[in-house]
Amino acid sequence: NAGVTQTPKFQVLKTGQSMTLQCAQDMNHEYMSWYRQDPGMGLRLIHYSVGAGITDQGEVPNGYNVSRSTTEDFPLRLLSAAPSQTSVYFCASSLAPGRGVYEQYFGPGTRLTVT
Amino acid sequence: GESVGLHLPTLSVQEGDNSIINCAYSNSASDYFIWYKQESGKGPQFIIDIRSNMDKRQGQRVTVLLNKTVKHLSLQIAATQPGDSAVYFCAENIEGGSYIPTFGRGTSLIVHP
Repeated sequence: NAGVTQTPKFQVLKTGQSMTLQCAQDMNHEYMSWYRQDPGMGLRLIHYSVGAGITDQGEVPNGYNVSRSTTEDFPLRLLSAAPSQTSVYFCASSLAPGRGVYEQYFGPGTRLTVT
Repeated sequence: GESVGLHLPTLSVQEGDNSIINCAYSNSASDYFIWYKQESGKGPQFIIDIRSNMDKRQGQRVTVLLNKTVKHLSLQIAATQPGDSAVYFCAENIEGGSYIPTFGRGTSLIVHP
């Protein structure tokens, strides 16, 4: 299993540009989520999904969109990039509750710089 | 003491010492807690978890202690090794809630050979 994969690893955008961060998992996990991590901060939840077709907002959703058309994929879209979105983005997946373990598996991250 | 701004709290130890990383959680309704380790340039990785019906759980070289009265968790690492150098996060969750955990700021552990 590849686990959780993210592309690209690095990206530089100009203010106002849009892009999609890709996330895929091959563990048949129901739950997927996106976090951003800024220097000296913990992980802040952007959006999450409890299954295909179902998404919900996290702590910092503004400026980001998500969709979940398949169990495997959970892309994060930046609609109009702003310098405040410069961060490292992590995608994570986990089994649904009731299956005993709530461990999240994280991808390697995408380092985004907006100039 | 805990730093503010861009700097994470940091714990420096010598190789072979025991390390204790502390975490205060915020929600008294939280009943499931996880410790993650994040090495430089990588995503967080699960270390150990504990439910609120326990006050101690042991893994390989790690022990987590939970004090619900003061909403405090600690992660103890025995015989700390240079490979333990990383940022450690505690995360809290509510079983029956969204099941997406809330992460703390993290503590940087530096192990000197």
